[in-house]
Parts: sequence; C-alpha cells; structure tokens
Amino acid sequence: NAGVTQTPKFQVLKTGQSMTLQCAQDMNHEYMSWYRQDPGMGLRLIHYSVGAGITDQGEVPNGYNVSRSTTEDFPLRLLSAAPSQTSVYFCASSYSGGFYGYTFGSGTRLTVV
Amino acid sequence: EDQVTQSPEALRLQEGESSSLNCSYTVSGLRGLFWYRQDPGKGPEFLFTLYSAGEEKEKERLKATLTKKESFLHITAPKPEDSATYLCAVQAERNEKLTFGTGTRLTIIP
Repeated sequence: NAGVTQTPKFQVLKTGQSMTLQCAQDMNHEYMSWYRQDPGMGLRLIHYSVGAGITDQGEVPNGYNVSRSTTEDFPLRLLSAAPSQTSVYFCASSYSGGFYGYTFGSGTRLTVV
Repeated sequence: EDQVTQSPEALRLQEGESSSLNCSYTVSGLRGLFWYRQDPGKGPEFLFTLYSAGEEKEKERLKATLTKKESFLHITAPKPEDSATYLCAVQAERNEKLTFGTGTRLTIIP
C-alpha cells in the first residue's frame, strides 16, 4: 500500500514550457485534490475531483488543467509555466470529503525560471 | 469567505514544557476542523478531525479541542521528535474545499 505517490519530486522549467505533475493513489479514494504551498500563504486548493470523470476548480485554478479518467490517477497540467507558479505542489486523497482525514503525497518542488 | 488564523507563527519549547497552539476560524457552517503535522520536505500528515464544539481528541502527547470560534492543540511534556509545523484547516458544509492556516512551527529543544 503506497498511499499517494507524486512524481517528479523536483522539476525546473523555463517560462512558457508545459508539463504534467503526476499523482496516483492505491487506496480507492473517491476524492482527490491538488494544493500549492507557498511561504506565508498556507496550502491553497487548485483543482479537485469527487470521482472519475468529475473535476472542479478550487481557489487558484488559473494556469492549470486537470482530468480524472480513472479513480487512481489525477494529473495536474501546467499549460504555459510562469515564475508565479514556482511552488511546492501536493496531491491529496480521501474517502467521502475527508471525514477520515486526507492523505497527502510527499510533494513536487517546482521552479520556473 | 472561510478564514483560518493560527498563532503563534513559531514556538520554541524546552523538552517537557507543555503549551498550546491556537487556531481561530470563521466558516459558514462547519463540517469539520482538521489538524495536520508537517515535517520539512514532506506532505502534511493527518492528526485529528473535530466536528462539533466541545469535542476533544487525543493522540500520544497531543490533545485537540474545539469551540465555536477556535481550536487548540495542547502538547503535554513534548519531546524533540514533536518538532514540526502544525497546520489547521476547516471544511465547510457546502463543499469539499479545505481552507488552511499558515501553520505554527514548533521546535522542542532537548
């Protein structure tokens, strides 16, 4: 049981490049979400999904796309990277909206130069 | 808009010196208040969920309490391994979104 797996752990992008951050969970959780963590600002929700085929925007969705074709996977796509997207990104999953707690991945540290 | 404010930002304690961390919140209809622990370079680790005022939960040296406006994380006789950033988050009844505070960085000195 691996929990929530995020890849890559580190990434450096040039402005304008695109990339996909991968997130996979093996706990059969319905709910998955992406957060970014910036110093002094706390974790902010980017996008979330309540099940396969269903996604919705969070607090800071601009510049990011998601899709949920399977229960296990929830990739986050950066369409055209900007320096403002330099951050640490966390994927989280849970049963039924988090009543039993959210399980977070170990994060992807992204730098856009 | 949901808001979470944690205080203090940082706290240094001697080993064995008990203290409390504060989480003040405003939310329209609370579904749950969550406490997480985060170690450097790692993702948050779930500690507790509290659902209603008056509820308390304990885990080892940690005890979380909840009122209608704030939650406290009490740490009793802490050890150096309790050093971490502690995050508080609220979830409203109306959606799945978690609103996080900026955390309290706790350092326990041997």
